[in-house]
Amino acid sequence: KAGVTQTPRYLIKTRGQQVTLSCSPISGHRSVSWYQQTPGQGLQFLFEYFSETQRNKGNFPGRFSGRQFSNSRSEMNVSTLELGDSALYLCASSLWQGQETQYFGPGTRLLVL
Amino acid sequence: ILNVEQSPQSLHVQEGDSTNFTCSFPSSNFYALHWYRWETAKSPEALFVMTLNGDEKKKGRISATLNTKEGYSYLYIKGSQPEDSATYLCAFETTTISNFGNEKLTFGTGTRLTIIP
Repeated sequence: KAGVTQTPRYLIKTRGQQVTLSCSPISGHRSVSWYQQTPGQGLQFLFEYFSETQRNKGNFPGRFSGRQFSNSRSEMNVSTLELGDSALYLCASSLWQGQETQYFGPGTRLLVL
Repeated sequence: ILNVEQSPQSLHVQEGDSTNFTCSFPSSNFYALHWYRWETAKSPEALFVMTLNGDEKKKGRISATLNTKEGYSYLYIKGSQPEDSATYLCAFETTTISNFGNEKLTFGTGTRLTIIP
């Protein structure tokens, strides 16, 4: 079974631009969560989608948004990029919500100049 | 904001020795405690999902225990091998769901384990 895939793997943007990251979960998984990892903060929860609905959202500004499609693939969008958005963005999929093992993708490393 | 703490931050262990480290988490609204191993340049790999007080889980030389009443979990590695070198993360899953502004999974900052050959 193929694992979680994320595209692109690396991205360089400038301040003020927007970016869209993509995540394809493991086949059959319906829950997709997004995380931001920065050296000082560790892994921070962004949001979770289940059956195309956002179920949980972390403490991030409205510039961070996402969506999930009917095939469970998910996208995350960051508008008006700031230098502090430079981070590794990980997505994770699980079969269902709650008490489930999450399988992480390789991440997208975003650098904002 | 939920507080999940891991100790120690880093650890150097001689190959063949056993070791353990701690994850502390809130004792209220507990739903699950997750352990992950994160090797450099790889994705975090799930080790355990623990849900019941008193749970003990084992995977090869790695085991974990859970105490939800006092809010801690221990991860044990027996007979450390070089391939055990990684950052070990725990994550607290709360029962509070569908509430904007609440974390679904709150991660600790990890214990960085280095095995010395």
